[in-house]
Amino acid sequence: DAGVIQSPRHEVTEMGQEVTLRCKPISGHNSLFWYRQTMMRGLELLIYFNNNVPIDDSGMPEDRFSAKMPNASFSTLKIQPSEPRDSAVYFCASTMTALNTEAFFGQGTRLTVV
Amino acid sequence: AQKVTQAQTEISVVEKEDVTLDCVYETRDTTYYLFWYKQPPSGELVFLIRRNSFDEQNEISGRYSWNFQKSTSSFNFTITASQVVDSAVYFCALSEGAAGGFKTIFGAGTRLFVKA
Repeated sequence: DAGVIQSPRHEVTEMGQEVTLRCKPISGHNSLFWYRQTMMRGLELLIYFNNNVPIDDSGMPEDRFSAKMPNASFSTLKIQPSEPRDSAVYFCASTMTALNTEAFFGQGTRLTVV
Repeated sequence: AQKVTQAQTEISVVEKEDVTLDCVYETRDTTYYLFWYKQPPSGELVFLIRRNSFDEQNEISGRYSWNFQKSTSSFNFTITASQVVDSAVYFCALSEGAAGGFKTIFGAGTRLFVKA
C-alpha cells in the first residue's frame, strides 16, 4: 500500500488566494483526520470524518477553512481566503474506525502564505 | 475535556544519557488509548506504541520504555542510552470515543536534541 498520500507537498501562495490541500487515505480506512502543525501550537486536530461524514469540526479555526470528503478515497481542505497566519504544515491521517488503531499520516503539505 | 499535556518543549542531552519525556492526559472516559509518535527531521509521523486504559503494564522495546500510571494520568516515555538518531519531536496522543467514532488529539510535542 502506498500509504496516505497528500498533495501538494509544498504550496506557496499570496495572501487572499484560495488554497486546496488534498488527501488520499489508505484503502479500507474509514476514518480521516486533518491536523495542522505549527511551532506555537503543535499538532492541532482540525476536523475528522468517519465513513466520509464530518463528525467533529470544532478545531477548524475559522469560516475560511472548509473540508470535504466526497468519497472514501479523497478529501480536501480548503482555505479561502488564505492569510499569512495559516502558514503551517497540514497533515492528513487515516485509520480504521476503532479506538485502538494508530493513525497513519501522510507526509504533510507545507503551506506558506506570503 | 480531552487534553494531552507535554510540559517539556525541548530537551537536550548528550549521547548515551537516559532521557524521559513526560505526558499527562485528561479524559472523562474509562476506555481510551494512549499513543506515542516520533517525528524525525524528515517530517513524517511514525507510530511507536499504543496502550489501552486497562493495561498498566510497563513496556520495553529495546532502548525504549513506557510507564503508564492511571493514578497520575501519565504515560511517560524513556529512552535509555540515547543516540543522535533519536533526535526528533515526540508526540503523545490520546484517543477516546466520540460521537460517530473516536477522536485522537495530540500533545504539543517535545523536541529532543541528542548531541554526539
